[in-house]
Amino acid sequence: DVKVTQSSRYLVKRTGEKVFLECVQDMDHENMFWYRQDPGLGLRLIYFSYDVKMKEKGDIPEGYSVSREKKERFSLILESASTNQTSMYLCASSSQGAHEQYFGPGTRLTVT
Amino acid sequence: GQQLNQSPQSMFIQEGEDVSMNCTSSSIFNTWLWYKQDPGEGPVLLIALYKAGELTSNGRLTAQFGITRKDSFLNISASIPSDVGIYFCAGQVSYKYIFGTGTRLKVLA
Repeated sequence: DVKVTQSSRYLVKRTGEKVFLECVQDMDHENMFWYRQDPGLGLRLIYFSYDVKMKEKGDIPEGYSVSREKKERFSLILESASTNQTSMYLCASSSQGAHEQYFGPGTRLTVT
Repeated sequence: GQQLNQSPQSMFIQEGEDVSMNCTSSSIFNTWLWYKQDPGEGPVLLIALYKAGELTSNGRLTAQFGITRKDSFLNISASIPSDVGIYFCAGQVSYKYIFGTGTRLKVLA
């Protein structure tokens, strides 16, 4: 069974903290994605990666960075968390050339 | 960034009713996908559409790829309580997908 796991379901951080969100997939997928989900705005792409050590900016990369040192793991980093980064963060993966993305359960991040 | 407009934003329906929702854009897409997100979970793919005019079914779900390639429709027949959730359309442009704003469905038993 296809599986994408995220390190935390809920996270509360303070403004200015450095935050790491981890995502692991067990399907040997080449592509991995980070989205944020906000009410009324749907899912917006932050970053994606099509191979180890490769990354591309999505639509809203400001304030975020990513790391992909191993094929199965894709990390999202908030260098200095701000309150406007309070959101649900979803990780997804897909195989090269495939349309279907498999999503993790999400991490609800609150920045106070 | 680019977004897809979905309507309605939310809807309450009675169990057994049919449901329709749609997604529109000013841009042309090569592929349309429809996802469902259950409460507390990530989205799961329901239907994929690859050609303009294509009509595809998956059980009680039917989706269509608009002939102009700028829109798509999802219909759910005879809704049941487990249909509750958020439905997202997604259109492919180049190497990535643009997701719609979502339709939240609530089914009244």
